[in-house]
Amino acid sequence: DAGVIQSPRHEVTEMGQEVTLRCKPISGHNSLFWYRQTMMRGLELLIYFNNNVPIDDSGMPEDRFSAKMPNASFSTLKIQPSEPRDSAVYFCASKLAGGLGEQFFGPGTRLTVL
Amino acid sequence: KNEVEQSPQNLTAQEGEFITINCSYSVGISALHWLQQHPGGGIVSLFMLSSGKKKHGRLIATINIQEKHSSLHITASHPRDSAVYICAVSYSGGGADGLTFGKGTHLIIQP
Repeated sequence: DAGVIQSPRHEVTEMGQEVTLRCKPISGHNSLFWYRQTMMRGLELLIYFNNNVPIDDSGMPEDRFSAKMPNASFSTLKIQPSEPRDSAVYFCASKLAGGLGEQFFGPGTRLTVL
Repeated sequence: KNEVEQSPQNLTAQEGEFITINCSYSVGISALHWLQQHPGGGIVSLFMLSSGKKKHGRLIATINIQEKHSSLHITASHPRDSAVYICAVSYSGGGADGLTFGKGTHLIIQP
């Protein structure tokens, strides 16, 4: 199995631009999580989906952030417009829903907003 | 909201030493996770615990639900164990739980 796949691995953009991060979960996993890691705040949950449905988006910082999961094998996290304080590493993780289970993390996307 | 506290924040030890990293949390959980993050940035799940103790190679994780405390132990530490170790908790409810993370413990094992 290829594991959780994220793209791009690195993104450098200018303030005000739209950024789209992509995630492909492990096949058969039906829970998907987006996390953000910064030096100041560490790892934080942004949003998670269960069977493609957003369950908890209380961690999404503000309306500039949006996430979608149009099907079981693809999710996007979009930032529009981007700001320098959005610079962070964004991780996607997946697991089997319906009970306890370990989460499998993707390699992350390092976003730099200039 | 659950608070997850880890100690120590930084730990430097000599190869072969026994290592203990502690984690405490403030409210009831469904599971506690220990994660490892190497300098390259990738995150790997080491353990998921809801009670008792688990062992994998030189790594041992324990949890005391009553005291809301968990420890991660590394026996016969090696320089390749150098990494950031992160404690995280998940809550009961629905089975698809986002994690709340501690700040991590930066471990350096010197040869």
